[in-house]
Amino acid sequence: ETGVTQTPRHLVMGMTNKKSLKCEQHLGHNAMYWYKQSAKKPLELMFVYNFKEQTENNSVPSRFSPECPNSSHLFLHLHTLQPEDSALYLCASSPGPGDRGLSSNQPQHFGDGTRLSIL
Amino acid sequence: AQKITQTQPGMFVQEKEAVTLDCTYDTSDQSYGLFWYKQPSSGEMIFLIYQGSYDEQNATEGRYSLNFQKARKSANLVISASQLGDSAMYFCAMRQKGTYKYIFGTGTRLKVLA
Repeated sequence: ETGVTQTPRHLVMGMTNKKSLKCEQHLGHNAMYWYKQSAKKPLELMFVYNFKEQTENNSVPSRFSPECPNSSHLFLHLHTLQPEDSALYLCASSPGPGDRGLSSNQPQHFGDGTRLSIL
Repeated sequence: AQKITQTQPGMFVQEKEAVTLDCTYDTSDQSYGLFWYKQPSSGEMIFLIYQGSYDEQNATEGRYSLNFQKARKSANLVISASQLGDSAMYFCAMRQKGTYKYIFGTGTRLKVLA
């Protein structure tokens, strides 16, 4: 058990569909992340949330809409996606920066990912 | 700007041999952390080992060790006694003190041969 659970593991959808990816962490972390991993490309950071507040939006198209209702749950709402959006979407969590400039020694913990295919 | 460079897209190693995966980084900050992750074909990213910028000893975790050379800004991963299950993608990453962002390299695909 990874401590970070993502559902679904696989998703096939048409370009006009609306779907959501879910991520849940049981590690007591404050920060949660969405990454996109395409074939033969580096891991791309999409969004970062800390204590439910979005702290990073890496110029992600509006067809991806994140939601963080609490520190344990993170969603990625998808609508009118394009074929190039087919990828592995990874959720991660980590301890937040803290109030003393942040220790840098905390790794991220990742979920198993959702493999998304756009038809 | 911070950057992680992994120059080996793919590596082969014979079972039971040791292998070194290269990682260099670029940062102007003094306090940062370096991480290695393993990603099997199933997709999950597994944390392997951590090295702090102020740590004087090289980190070790079982068969994994990190060859940290701060002046050269390199943090190479050494896997000893390779096993078939070590075949995977390996990512080097960095986090700077005071930030949420983890910077990842492009990864090295390791194949262990029987």
